[in-house]
Amino acid sequence: AQKVTQAQTEISVVEKEDVTLDCVYETRDTTYYLFWYKQPPSGELVFLIRRNSFDEQNEISGRYSWNFQKSTSSFNFTITASQVVDSAVYFCALSEANTGGFKTIFGAGTRLFVKA
Amino acid sequence: EAGVVQSPRYKIIEKKQPVAFWCNPISGHNTLYWYRQNLGQGPELLIRYENEEAVDDSQLPKDRFSAERLKGVDSTLKIQPAELGDSAVYLCASSFGLAGGSYNEQFFGPGTRLTVL
Repeated sequence: AQKVTQAQTEISVVEKEDVTLDCVYETRDTTYYLFWYKQPPSGELVFLIRRNSFDEQNEISGRYSWNFQKSTSSFNFTITASQVVDSAVYFCALSEANTGGFKTIFGAGTRLFVKA
Repeated sequence: EAGVVQSPRYKIIEKKQPVAFWCNPISGHNTLYWYRQNLGQGPELLIRYENEEAVDDSQLPKDRFSAERLKGVDSTLKIQPAELGDSAVYLCASSFGLAGGSYNEQFFGPGTRLTVL
């Protein structure tokens, strides 16, 4: 069955610290997609990244980086030199094939506080 | 380009009253989703449309919830009658992709915060 676990409910860091948000997933499929979304206080979820199950290459985008490891079923997200604007709730999501097409489920989210 | 538009942003009703939410997806997006997000939780899918067809409504409580997407563009989600436990944020999202997708990134609206008293 599909499952996404974000064990960290809240993380608090001081500006310029690095922070890693953990995501562990469960799936029976060999073809699936993993996502990270950011939900700032305004409420709209904003897409950050998508990874398919056949591409384990890590990715870096500015201060953001993602580490995908199929061996441990993890897709962790690191923010380098955090800033106050990074404060938000971050969701990891898994999309796998299901009746009627791919179905996406979200983890419970990790709330990140970045203090100045 | 305009994003996903939802209205109203906030709604307060008494239990047993009906309520409706409206969503206008990004132009050209064929897939539309309605999610419910409870406090401190991630979004949970209620229904997914591909064009006019509801292809996944397995999580929609059909005794009180209904949805429609006429002409494959705008969508309305209705609750009748509302219960206390329906208090949540209702999110609409859209994406563009081949049939059977929800593997593409989704674009979310700001949501409607429903409070049932």
